[in-house]
Amino acid sequence: QKEVEQNSGPLSVPEGAIASLNCTYSDRGSQSFFWYRQYSGKSPELIMFIYSNGDKEDGRFTAQLNKASQYVSLLIRDSQPSDSATYLCAVTDNYGQNFVFGPGTRLSVLP
Amino acid sequence: DVKVTQSSRYLVKRTGEKVFLECVQDMDHENMFWYRQDPGLGLRLIYFSYDVKMKEKGDIPEGYSVSREKKERFSLILESASTNQTSMYLCASSPTDRGTDTQYFGPGTRLTVL
Repeated sequence: QKEVEQNSGPLSVPEGAIASLNCTYSDRGSQSFFWYRQYSGKSPELIMFIYSNGDKEDGRFTAQLNKASQYVSLLIRDSQPSDSATYLCAVTDNYGQNFVFGPGTRLSVLP
Repeated sequence: DVKVTQSSRYLVKRTGEKVFLECVQDMDHENMFWYRQDPGLGLRLIYFSYDVKMKEKGDIPEGYSVSREKKERFSLILESASTNQTSMYLCASSPTDRGTDTQYFGPGTRLTVL
C-alpha cells in the first residue's frame, strides 16, 4: 500500500513568519510531487509541483524534494492570514496516473 | 483554464435511493477520478478512468459504480445510498502528458444521506 504522510497539525505561525510543511512517501518509484491548498468547504487547488531533487521557488512558495530521503516539503515565506488552509501533499507514479494524497496539514496564520 | 464541473454542490438523499453524481471536464483529459473526502481521513480514491469505457477501482469502491460513455463525462453512481456515504465527493481530471500531469478538481458535491 503506497502511503503519503503529513502532520495533521494544526500548525500555527505568526503573520510574516515562515511556515514549513512536511510530507514523506513510501513508494521509491514516485516521480511527481504536488502541493495543493484547500480552503474549508472548497476543492483543492494546485500550488506547486516538483519533479527533480532540490528546491523550486514560485513567489513566496518553495518546494523542496529529497528523493533519497523520500521527503518533500513546502515553505511559505512571509505567511499571511489568507494562507490559512489545509495543505495536501500528493505523489504520483512514473505514469502520472495514480495519485496518492496525504491527509493534509492544517495551517493557521495568526495576525 | 481547465474547467471541471460537477452537477450539484449540495445533495440530500434518503437511504436506499439511487444517486447519480456527474462530472464534466472541458480540456479533453484522458484521466478522470472520483474521490470522497471526510474529516481526518483525507482524500480517498473511489474509482478512476483512463479512457472512455475504461474504469479501475480505487481504494474504496464498495457501494459505488461509475460510467464513462464519453471522454468528457465521468459519472459516479451510488446504487443504494447509505448513511455512511454522507461525504464530500470530488471529481478530478488530468492529462496523460507526464510533463503536466497534475489533477484539476471540480468544486465538489456535498452529499447527505438521511
